[in-house]
Amino acid sequence: DAGITQSPRYKITETGRQVTLMCHQTWSHSYMFWYRQDLGHGLRLIYYSAAADITDKGEVPDGYVVSRSKTENFPLTLESATRSQTSVYFCASSLTGGNYGYTFGSGTRLTVV
Amino acid sequence: AQTVTQSQPEMSVQEAETVTLSCTYDTSESDYYLFWYKQPPSRQMILVIRQEAYKQQNATENRFSVNFQKAAKSFSLKISDSQLGDAAMYFCACRRNDMRFGAGTRLTVKP
Repeated sequence: DAGITQSPRYKITETGRQVTLMCHQTWSHSYMFWYRQDLGHGLRLIYYSAAADITDKGEVPDGYVVSRSKTENFPLTLESATRSQTSVYFCASSLTGGNYGYTFGSGTRLTVV
Repeated sequence: AQTVTQSQPEMSVQEAETVTLSCTYDTSESDYYLFWYKQPPSRQMILVIRQEAYKQQNATENRFSVNFQKAAKSFSLKISDSQLGDAAMYFCACRRNDMRFGAGTRLTVKP
């Protein structure tokens, strides 16, 4: 009963490389989200998806790409990683909008060297 | 989109005492929801309490309660009888469809 799983948990990559962070949920939640967490900024929304094949930009979408071909998966791709993208990345899901809180994954710590 | 401000980067409290964490928000929506999340060193995000903006009654969950002032757009968290396990980062958040978070308050509990 994993609920929402992120992989990998830790990743080190080089500047300029493409890297994909995976997120998988088992609850058939319609909404899924990607956030990055940086000291002093809290969690900032990168992208979100209200359903399969529907995605929207959040606060800090530049340099990131998402897709959602299946309800349960919401991968986040850094097309050409930069050092400023070193962060902890959280995936979250929610049954629907509004009053439902999120269920969060355990996070991926990404270091770009 | 919503914005959330937590003006206290760090707070400390003596074990068994009460502490209040502040949060203000801004939104043009009339229908929204407010949350407090706790993040211990394990990094896991844990929902502490939730408040529907259309409800005037303040939410309460055991030792955790909120003071929701809709006109002032204020949503503070009160932790009573603080325990060592309450030490964590606390994030205030506001949700319409997506959720926006404040920068967080690091709470230290002194034995």
